Amino acid sequence: QKEVEQDPGPLSVPEGAIVSLNCTYSNSAFQYFMWYRQYSRKGPELLMYTYSSGNKEDGRFTAQVDKSSKYISLFIRDSQPSDSATYLCAMSAGGNNRLAFGKGNQVVVIP
Amino acid sequence: KAGVTQTPRYLIKTRGQQVTLSCSPISGHRSVSWYQQTPGQGLQFLFEYFSETQRNKGNFPGRFSGRQFSNSRSEMNVSTLELGDSALYLCASSLDLWDGGSYEQYFGPGTRLTVT
Repeated sequence: QKEVEQDPGPLSVPEGAIVSLNCTYSNSAFQYFMWYRQYSRKGPELLMYTYSSGNKEDGRFTAQVDKSSKYISLFIRDSQPSDSATYLCAMSAGGNNRLAFGKGNQVVVIP
Repeated sequence: KAGVTQTPRYLIKTRGQQVTLSCSPISGHRSVSWYQQTPGQGLQFLFEYFSETQRNKGNFPGRFSGRQFSNSRSEMNVSTLELGDSALYLCASSLDLWDGGSYEQYFGPGTRLTVT
C-alpha cells in the first residue's frame, strides 16, 4: 500500500464551480500536510501548509485535515481557468524534510 | 527574493553516460532536497542535504548521488544512465527548523532528463 493515495483521475469543472480534491494516507506519523499546484512544464508551487488536524483558509482555497480518518482535502471556490493545473498533496512526519506525495489530480476549469 | 534555480533545464543523454544537475536554493535556505518525477511513480524523494551533509536518503540505487557546497548550492549526479532514469528532476529548498523555519519546501522548475 502506498503511503499516500490520491485518485489521479482528471477533473473537469465549469468556471465558478467548487473543486474538491482529497488524499488518504496510511502513515499515522504524518503531521504536516501540504498542497502544491503544478502547471505544465513547471515545478510544484506551494499552495497550502497545515499542521495536524483542522481547517485552514487562504483566499479561495481551503485545506482540511482529519487525522483520525487519515484524510485531507483541498477546496477551491469560484474556480477560474487559471486554476487549471495538477494538484498534488504532500505530507511529512516531521523530523526531516522528506515529503511523501500523492500522484496528483489534473484539474481543468472550463470557461 | 529569487526562487530556486536549476540548471540545465533540459538534457538529452545516452544510456551508460553520467549526468550532473545543479540547484541553487533560495537565499538563506540551507536544506536542499531532490525528487524524481515520472508519470508512473509521481514524485519520489531522492535525498536531502543540510549544511553540506546528506541528512536523508530515499530508496534509489547508489548510481544516484549528490553533494552540497558551503554556499548551499547542491548537485546531483546519476551514473551509468538507464532508460528508466528519464524523468523531471526537481530540487526543493527550505528554511530549516534549525534556522527558525518549517517543513515548507519550495521547488525549482526542474531539469527534464531524457535518456536515449
